[in-house]
Amino acid sequence: NAGVTQTPKFRVLKTGQSMTLLCAQDMNHEYMYWYRQDPGMGLRLIHYSVGEGTTAKGEVPDGYNVSRLKKQNFLLGLESAAPSQTSVYFCASSYSGGGNNEQFFGPGTRLTVL
Amino acid sequence: GENVEQHPSTLSVQEGDSAVIKCTYSDSASNYFPWYKQELGKGPQLIIDIRSNVGEKKDQRIAVTLNKTAKHFSLHITETQPEDSAVYFCAARAFSGGYNKLIFGAGTRLAVHP
Repeated sequence: NAGVTQTPKFRVLKTGQSMTLLCAQDMNHEYMYWYRQDPGMGLRLIHYSVGEGTTAKGEVPDGYNVSRLKKQNFLLGLESAAPSQTSVYFCASSYSGGGNNEQFFGPGTRLTVL
Repeated sequence: GENVEQHPSTLSVQEGDSAVIKCTYSDSASNYFPWYKQELGKGPQLIIDIRSNVGEKKDQRIAVTLNKTAKHFSLHITETQPEDSAVYFCAARAFSGGYNKLIFGAGTRLAVHP
């Protein structure tokens, strides 16, 4: 099992450009999440999904969109990148949201917006 | 909204010493508290967790304690080793928007010096 994978690993964008980050999991997990990690601020939830075809807003959703067309994939889109979106982005998945369900994280995508 | 505060932000210890990281949470309904370890260039990985019906849990050199009345929980690492050097995140599960989500602390950078 590969677990949770993310592509790309690194990306540099110019202000106003758009891009899509791809997350894939092979554990048949229902829940998937997108976080951003900034120095001194820990992990903040951007959007999440509780199943194929569903999405919901997290703490910091502005400027991002997501889609979950297939159970194993969760896409994060930036429509018009801004320097404030420079961050490290982590995708995670869990079997469900209840109980003691562990969230498994991908290796991250480092995004720089110039 | 829900909040998790984590202290200290940085911690430096000598190999063999103990390390303690403390977190407080705001949502009294939180009932699950995981701790994640993030090594350089990698995603966070669960190392131990505790539920609200338990006061303490141990796994070899690491232990977590929970005080529900005071709404705080702590991670204890004994006999620290250089490979314990990493960023540690605490989290608390909160029920918001109809779903369970993890709220993360800002992280503690632990350095273990040989």
